[in-house]
Parts: sequence; C-alpha cells; structure tokens
Amino acid sequence: AQSVAQPEDQVNVAEGNPLTVKCTYSVSGNPYLFWYVQYPNRGLQFLLKYITGDNLVKGSYGFEAEFNKSQTSFHLKKPSALVSDSALYFCAVRPQSGGYNKLIFGAGTRLAVHP
Amino acid sequence: DVKVTQSSRYLVKRTGEKVFLECVQDMDHENMFWYRQDPGLGLRLIYFSYDVKMKEKGDIPEGYSVSREKKERFSLILESASTNQTSMYLCASIPSGLVTTYIYFGEGSWLTVV
Repeated sequence: AQSVAQPEDQVNVAEGNPLTVKCTYSVSGNPYLFWYVQYPNRGLQFLLKYITGDNLVKGSYGFEAEFNKSQTSFHLKKPSALVSDSALYFCAVRPQSGGYNKLIFGAGTRLAVHP
Repeated sequence: DVKVTQSSRYLVKRTGEKVFLECVQDMDHENMFWYRQDPGLGLRLIYFSYDVKMKEKGDIPEGYSVSREKKERFSLILESASTNQTSMYLCASIPSGLVTTYIYFGEGSWLTVV
C-alpha cells in the first residue's frame, strides 16, 4: 500500500539551531513530493515541492528539503530555527500515476521551537 | 491569490442533525476536495469532485455526502451527525492539467457534535 511516514510526532528545537523534520514514503514510481505547514486554527499552507531536478529544494520562510531516492525520503530542514516556525508540518506525496485523489498525507509532525 | 473560503469556521451540532459545510473557491478550479483532519491520523480524503455534478469517494466517505451544483462551490453534508464526526474539516481545490502544482486549502471548519 502507498503511504507516507513522519516518524516523529513532535520535534523540539532551540531557537537558532538547525531543524530537521523527517518524511519517508512508499509509493511506486517517481512521485511528486510536497511539504505543507499548518499554524493553529488555520488551513494548510504550501511550503515547497520536489518534482524533478536538483535534490535540494528551497521553499518559503527559509525552509529547504532534500530528496533522497535511494532512501525514499524527503526531509524538511532549516539552518536556523525561529520561534515563529512552531507549527504542524505535513509531508505529502502524489504518485505520478493516478488522479488528484492520490495525494497522500503523512500524519504530521509538530515542531516546537523554544526561545 | 487563490482563495478557498469555508464560511463556517466553528460549529456545534447535536447528534442526528443534518450538517452542511460550504466551500467556495474563486479561481475556476475544476477539482475540489473535502478532507478530515484528526490528531495522529493526518488528512484523510472524504470526497472529491473533478467537475460540476461529478463526485468520487475518497478513503472515508461513510456518513458523508457531497454536492457540486456550481463549479465554485463544493458542499459536504453530514446526513445525520454523530459524535465520531467531531473533527476539523478542510476544503481544497486544484486546477486540472497542472499535475505538479500544489493544492490550495481553506482555513478549516471545526465541527463538534454533542
């Protein structure tokens, strides 16, 4: 079965330190990969995507993500965390085959950045 | 900017009531979705629609129905609300033909069934 795993329910980071939010996927073929962020009581906002090309993708608010095909991973990273980065982060995968209903989300990882 | 509007942000309904959640998008997108978000479960697709009057079941359609009479509006209907339908509901839209673009989400509707 196709799936997306975010192995950490919560990630705690001190402000100014680098952060990583992990995502692995199990999808046939070459999927399209996305990260979304959700602030309290809000909908999801797009952060970045990987379609093809350079394995390191840069997105909004200083975030980047590294695609690793051999490890089927798409980890979200930021060199220096801000308290305002505290939010819920979702990894999503869209297989290249199939319709839009095949967008598969992970369970989400709560990022807490402490001053 | 694309805007997906969910008119009801917070609702409290009684068990057995019929509930309507409305969603409107202003960018002429063909595809619209209803997701349910629960802690630890992420987003689960309830229904989606790829055209007016067209709909398809997602992963968890039981207890829900949808209506799409106009392109910009996609309604989620709980025929007889139950307490296990207490959740956050997210509407989303995406244009056809742009397979690499991302989904636009509404702000969410928090439904509590008592």
